[in-house]
Amino acid sequence: AQTVTQSQPEMSVQEAETVTLSCTYDTSENNYYLFWYKQPPSRQMILVIRQEAYKQQNATENRFSVNFQKAAKSFSLKISDSQLGDTAMYFCAFIKANAGGTSYGKLTFGQGTILTVHP
Amino acid sequence: DTGVSQNPRHKITKRGQNVTFRCDPISEHNRLYWYRQTLGQGPEFLTYFQNEAQLEKSRLLSDRFSAERPKGSFSTLEIQRTEQGDSAMYLCASSLGDRGYEQYFGPGTRLTVT
Repeated sequence: AQTVTQSQPEMSVQEAETVTLSCTYDTSENNYYLFWYKQPPSRQMILVIRQEAYKQQNATENRFSVNFQKAAKSFSLKISDSQLGDTAMYFCAFIKANAGGTSYGKLTFGQGTILTVHP
Repeated sequence: DTGVSQNPRHKITKRGQNVTFRCDPISEHNRLYWYRQTLGQGPEFLTYFQNEAQLEKSRLLSDRFSAERPKGSFSTLEIQRTEQGDSAMYLCASSLGDRGYEQYFGPGTRLTVT
């Protein structure tokens, strides 16, 4: 079974600054994907960024980037130039994949980190 | 296509009553997932379908819970004899084929059991 742990229940940052959210996971699988999801106060879950475990290069999406350390089973999210609209709950998540990169099953989520961006 | 939709958005019921939620996935998506999210926690997997076949059920899905996807399109999640511990947000997601790494979530149904 997989577990995902987010050890920061809450974080805050000033607008335009950079913040890093932490995530660790435990799995015996070699092929998997990791994700960061954002859930704003309206509560619809939105995918922020995805990382394939077989890729060494860290994923980036505009102001969002990850630091993926496979051996350490660590997957942190860096938000640069924070904006007020980044205020949300952020979830780290995991899904198994097969050797071909396809994936079928359930997402396993961490407990979440509430991020507040202050003006 | 407007994404995954869920109805109702909010449901208040009395303990012991039955409730049913509906999820309409993105039209071409053949996989549909149900998750439960309690306040301040991450979503927990309940069950998922490929077309009309229910492929996996979590042990969280007690005998009082049943999910169906009769024609491989929309799905319903029924909770019988609701308990206060069932109060949660019930999230639905869908994905296409073997792209389970691209699950799109609906807005959820908030259930309150009084």
